[in-house]
Amino acid sequence: DAGITQSPRHKVTETGTPVTLRCHQTENHRYMYWYRQDPGHGLRLIHYSYGVKDTDKGEVSDGYSVSRSKTEDFLLTLESATSSQTSVYFCAIMGLANEQFFGPGTRLTVL
Amino acid sequence: QQQVKQSPQSLIVQKGGISIINCAYENTAFDYFPWYQQFPGKGPALLIAIRPDVSEKKEGRFTISFNKSAKQFSLHIMDSQPGDSATYFCAASMKGGSQGNLIFGKGTKLSVKP
Repeated sequence: DAGITQSPRHKVTETGTPVTLRCHQTENHRYMYWYRQDPGHGLRLIHYSYGVKDTDKGEVSDGYSVSRSKTEDFLLTLESATSSQTSVYFCAIMGLANEQFFGPGTRLTVL
Repeated sequence: QQQVKQSPQSLIVQKGGISIINCAYENTAFDYFPWYQQFPGKGPALLIAIRPDVSEKKEGRFTISFNKSAKQFSLHIMDSQPGDSATYFCAASMKGGSQGNLIFGKGTKLSVKP
C-alpha cells in the first residue's frame, strides 16, 4: 500500500460545513495527489503537490483547497461542503519510476 | 485531446477465458500507460504499465498490447479467474508539464463466472 493512510475513512456531514481530509505517507515521496471517484466518471484529479507548500490545481478543483506543510501530509479541504461533493476521495503518491500508488480512500457523504 | 476512452463498460467472461479491455487516446505526448485494478471498497492498485517504446508487456496472466500508430492500448487477462472480478482502469500521462498527472478512463467492470 506504499505506506499511505487516509483519515477519516468514512464521514457524513451536512451541506455548508467545512471538511478536511488527511493523507499521510511514510516514504518521503515528493509528489502527492488527491482524486475523487464517482460512478461513470472514473478517477478525476482535484489537486496535486510537488513539494512542501507547492501545490497546483487539477481537473476538478472548484470548491476544494489543499495544503502541504510537511512532506508526509497532504490535506484536502472542502470549505463549504455541497451534495455534489459526495464521493470517494483517494490520495496517491508518485513512486521513483513515476508510477502512482493509491491510498485506501475516504467515503464522504454530504447531506 | 486529454481524454482516454475505455471500453467496454462491463464485461462478463467465463472462467478460463480471455478478458480484453481496450483504451484509446488522442494526445500523442502521452508516454506512460498504466492499468489499475480496483476491488470494491479498496483503492486502485497498479497492475501493469507500458511505455510507447515497446509494443507488448507481459506479467504473468496480464498483458498490455500497445499500438502507437492507432493510439490504442489494451489489457488482456489470460485464463481469467473469479478472483480477477474487479473494475479495471486504464490511464495515461506524460513527462514534464503537469508532473506526470494521470488521465483515467472511466473503468470496466469485469465479472468472471465460475
